[in-house]
Amino acid sequence: EAGVAQSPRYKIIEKRQSVAFWCNPISGHATLYWYQQILGQGPKLLIQFQNNGVVDDSQLPKDRFSAERLKGVDSTLKIQPAKLEDSAVYLCASSLVAGGAGGELFFGEGSRLTVL
Amino acid sequence: QKEVEQNSGPLSVPEGAIASLNCTYSDRGSQSFFWYRQYSGKSPELIMSIYSNGDKEDGRFTAQLNKASQYVSLLIRDSQPSDSATYLCAVNGGGGADGLTFGKGTHLIIQP
Repeated sequence: EAGVAQSPRYKIIEKRQSVAFWCNPISGHATLYWYQQILGQGPKLLIQFQNNGVVDDSQLPKDRFSAERLKGVDSTLKIQPAKLEDSAVYLCASSLVAGGAGGELFFGEGSRLTVL
Repeated sequence: QKEVEQNSGPLSVPEGAIASLNCTYSDRGSQSFFWYRQYSGKSPELIMSIYSNGDKEDGRFTAQLNKASQYVSLLIRDSQPSDSATYLCAVNGGGGADGLTFGKGTHLIIQP
């Protein structure tokens, strides 16, 4: 079974530039999450999708971050304009359980962003 | 805001000994509790889940939950060098709208 796919693995940009990350969850997984993990910290939930609807985006900095999940499968996370403090690994995760506290999240390998 | 607290370490344990990792959480309504292991440069992977008070054992790993004290722990018996990693405690409040809230993680080093 294929895991969660993410791209790009690495991205270096200048501050105020824009960047987009892509995620393809495990086939059949209804719930998709984007987490931000800053070096030395635990993952922080940015947004949770249930199929193609947003369930929780309370910690998403909406002035610069946006995310979408068209057709309930792939998702993209965009940052525009980027700030130095956005340097982090962006982890996409998916879970099988629809609408429940499934708990077992399967993570992709992450996209490491460096903002200079 | 929900908080999950862990001692960041590093926690150094001799090979073959028991490693004990601890976690406290702020939301009394939390229902599901997880331990994820994260190797350096890798993504987190689930190693244990626990939902009710008491102990849950899986091989060399034992998770312990005390909801009254809002406390979760992970014991690793017969620690191996391959257990050296960061261990993340994660909590889910239940319901479809709750993603996991993670602690900062405890860096565990198993000394050969």
